[in-house]
Amino acid sequence: EPEVTQTPSHQVTQMGQEVILRCVPISNHLYFYWYRQILGQKVEFLVSFYNNEISEKSEIFDDQFSVERPDGSNFTLKIRSTKLEDSAMYFCASSPTLKLFFGSGTQLSVL
Amino acid sequence: RKEVEQDPGPFNVPEGATVAFNCTYSNSASQSFFWYRQDCRKEPKLLMSVYSSGNEDGRFTAQLNRASQYISLLIRDSKLSDSATYLCVVNKVSGNTGKLIFGQGTTLQVKP
Repeated sequence: EPEVTQTPSHQVTQMGQEVILRCVPISNHLYFYWYRQILGQKVEFLVSFYNNEISEKSEIFDDQFSVERPDGSNFTLKIRSTKLEDSAMYFCASSPTLKLFFGSGTQLSVL
Repeated sequence: RKEVEQDPGPFNVPEGATVAFNCTYSNSASQSFFWYRQDCRKEPKLLMSVYSSGNEDGRFTAQLNRASQYISLLIRDSKLSDSATYLCVVNKVSGNTGKLIFGQGTTLQVKP
């Protein structure tokens, strides 16, 4: 069964450093998303991406965040200068319509 | 008012029990509704969609009341493996795309 894959599974970084989280969505899906979940809190929407551009972003997704689809398969989330409060599980998701299929997540720890 | 609101629980029930979770949503324009299941520190996984007429999948029954903006999930004959957090999820349509808004989840612990 096709699945969304995310790498790395864990990322530890120093505050102020840049990180890139990588995702390979399911191949025939058209909509891509990043969500995050701070430990003990709910899953929060960050950004949606369709037709090679951002279709919507949340207040969390400020200028420190960016997304790219550099080729036909990868979908990346970049955080330019990480803050302590960026520590969370980041989930990539893809969708053919509205049902989202999630990757297993990248646990980001900012020290 | 929160966009999607759930009782966080935890619900502690014995094996074989029937348990019901409720959820309310604030945006009356929402069109699609789902229940996802999330195991500890894992990704959310789609459990079932929720249709206006109500729908059933084995031991799981989902109901939607659009007038009250209320969604429910009923689990019959609960198993130990049902222990997880159940997320009520509602779409929010904006332009040509929708995004899913998650409730905080209701934690279920099924005990032997």
